[in-house]
Amino acid sequence: DAKTTQPTSMDCAEGRAANLPCNHSTISGNEYVYWYRQIHSQGPQYIIHGLKNNETNEMASLIITEDRKSSTLILPHATLRDTAVYYCIVRVALVDNYGQNFVFGPGTRLSVLP
Amino acid sequence: DTGVSQDPRHKITKRGQNVTFRCDPISEHNRLYWYRQTLGQGPEFLTYFQNEAQLEKSRLLSDRFSAERPKGSFSTLEIQRTEQGDSAMYLCATGTEKREKLFFGSGTQLSVL
Repeated sequence: DAKTTQPTSMDCAEGRAANLPCNHSTISGNEYVYWYRQIHSQGPQYIIHGLKNNETNEMASLIITEDRKSSTLILPHATLRDTAVYYCIVRVALVDNYGQNFVFGPGTRLSVLP
Repeated sequence: DTGVSQDPRHKITKRGQNVTFRCDPISEHNRLYWYRQTLGQGPEFLTYFQNEAQLEKSRLLSDRFSAERPKGSFSTLEIQRTEQGDSAMYLCATGTEKREKLFFGSGTQLSVL
């Protein structure tokens, strides 16, 4: 079973920041938070991951609370092409495990509205 | 394009027939995963290879399902005696332990009539 809970759906106005929350209250000390998204009819796409520090890349920012029990993915300027299902996953780092799979929940369906 | 190729993109078959899907990973990726996804759900793990060794199988992988990865390169997923409940998107993902991301193919959409 997925170790995370996410809202089923969210709307965001084009050009505004999209803030997608994720709860992972049972996260272990060696587990990372990963975010993937899936645009219709495509495979999931990696966005970002982090352990306890906030992370930023060209796609998004990841804010992890100090107790690591929740996190927020931020798309700073959402576009229509960001409409997708966003998955929050917790798992140990690939380098530290021998194939433990990613467990996907149902994710959050983000609709970016014009 | 992630560099992970899956073939075919779509497959329609009749119940009881056998089907085979292929996944071609990014060349240096030694880890390969198969997932299944039904409408409205997230992908569900089926099986995992490290090089040619199949190291993990989900209980979802019934005895009608078999996966191979000869020589640690491409992989095939075969479903024998297909059932209507097998209708789903079958996704392949590859990666290495040196990078913290998996690359997914676009999937094979299977419809069993």
